Amino acid sequence: KAGVTQTPRYLIKTRGQQVTLSCSPISGHRSVSWYQQTPGQGLQFLFEYFSETQRNKGNFPGRFSGRQFSNSRSEMNVSTLELGDSALYLCASSLSGGGTYEQYFGPGTRLTVT
Amino acid sequence: AQSVAQPEDQVNVAEGNPLTVKCTYSVSGNPYLFWYVQYPNRGLQFLLKYITGDNLVKGSYGFEAEFNKSQTSFHLKKPSALVSDSALYFCAVRDRAGNNRKLIWGLGTSLAVNP
Repeated sequence: KAGVTQTPRYLIKTRGQQVTLSCSPISGHRSVSWYQQTPGQGLQFLFEYFSETQRNKGNFPGRFSGRQFSNSRSEMNVSTLELGDSALYLCASSLSGGGTYEQYFGPGTRLTVT
Repeated sequence: AQSVAQPEDQVNVAEGNPLTVKCTYSVSGNPYLFWYVQYPNRGLQFLLKYITGDNLVKGSYGFEAEFNKSQTSFHLKKPSALVSDSALYFCAVRDRAGNNRKLIWGLGTSLAVNP
């Protein structure tokens, strides 16, 4: 079974631009979560989607948004990029949101904002 | 409020010695508990989880963790450390009660195993 894939793997953007990151979950997985990872802050939860609905949301500004499609693929968008948005963005999928299911992570998208 | 604490930013251990990476949690109800590992330049990988039953849980790569309800802890252990165990370890908890089932993460503990 193919793992979680994320595209692009690396991205360099300028302040003020917007960016869209893509995540394809493991086949059959219906839940997709997004995280921001930075050296000092660890893993910061952005949001979780299940069956095209946002189930949970972290404490990020409205510039961060996401969506999930009917095939469970997910995208996240960051508008008006700031230098502080530079981070590794991780996507994770699981069979179902919540409960006992563990998450499977993609390799991440390394975003650099200059 | 739900929270997870990994009290040590870094743990150093000699190869062949036992290792422990600590995790304590606070949730309003009973927890589901998870350990993940992130090797250098690789993605996060699931190691093990506690759902119910035996307090000692065995996982991948020879790791195990012990759930202690009275101490609200879920420490990760391995009897004999390998250099290849050097990585960043994350503890995570989910409250099984209520509608909010967000997974709460610790800040991570960097494990260095010295040859």
